[in-house]
Amino acid sequence: NAGVTQTPKFQVLKTGQSMTLQCAQDMNHNSMYWYRQDPGMGLRLIYYSASEGTTDKGEVPNGYNVSRLNKREFSLRLESAAPSQTSVYFCASSRDGLSYGYTFGSGTRLTVV
Amino acid sequence: AQSVTQLDSHVSVSEGTPVLLRCNYSSSYSPSLFWYVQHPNKGLQLLLKYTSAATLVKGINGFEAEFKKSETSFHLTKPSAHMSDAAEYFCVVSEINRAAGNKLTFGGGTRVLVKP
Repeated sequence: NAGVTQTPKFQVLKTGQSMTLQCAQDMNHNSMYWYRQDPGMGLRLIYYSASEGTTDKGEVPNGYNVSRLNKREFSLRLESAAPSQTSVYFCASSRDGLSYGYTFGSGTRLTVV
Repeated sequence: AQSVTQLDSHVSVSEGTPVLLRCNYSSSYSPSLFWYVQHPNKGLQLLLKYTSAATLVKGINGFEAEFKKSETSFHLTKPSAHMSDAAEYFCVVSEINRAAGNKLTFGGGTRVLVKP
């Protein structure tokens, strides 16, 4: 099983450039999430999608947009990258229900210069 | 609202000695609790989870955690540290949210250093 697949693994952008981070899961999970990880701050939720066709803001949504393309895919877009968006981005998916944790992708390390 | 506090940002232990990583949580409801581990430049891996069954939870690689409702704690322990345990560990709380699905809140992480 592939689980959660993120692309690309690494990316360097110039300030003002745009890009889309891709995420796909093959576990038939309803819920998908995008997090960013910064030193000492754990993971912070950017956006989530509780089901196909729905998306909602998390804790730190400014500067980002998302698309739940279908049940498998959930993309994150930076329209105009800023140095403050330098981070490691993780996509995750989960089954419904309180007792389930997440399955994470391997992350995308993004540097904005 | 839920929150998680990991009381130590760094823990240093010698190989073969016990490991204790402390976690306190707050939650409006009966939560589920998790510990994840992240090795350098890797994704996050689930170590163990508490879901209102036994309060002492055993996970992978010899780790275990005890849920103490009266203390709102979920500390992670291992009797004997191994060099491969050097990683960052995250305590996570989950509450059911009909709109948000299975929403997790992460602690800030504890980085474990294992000395030979």
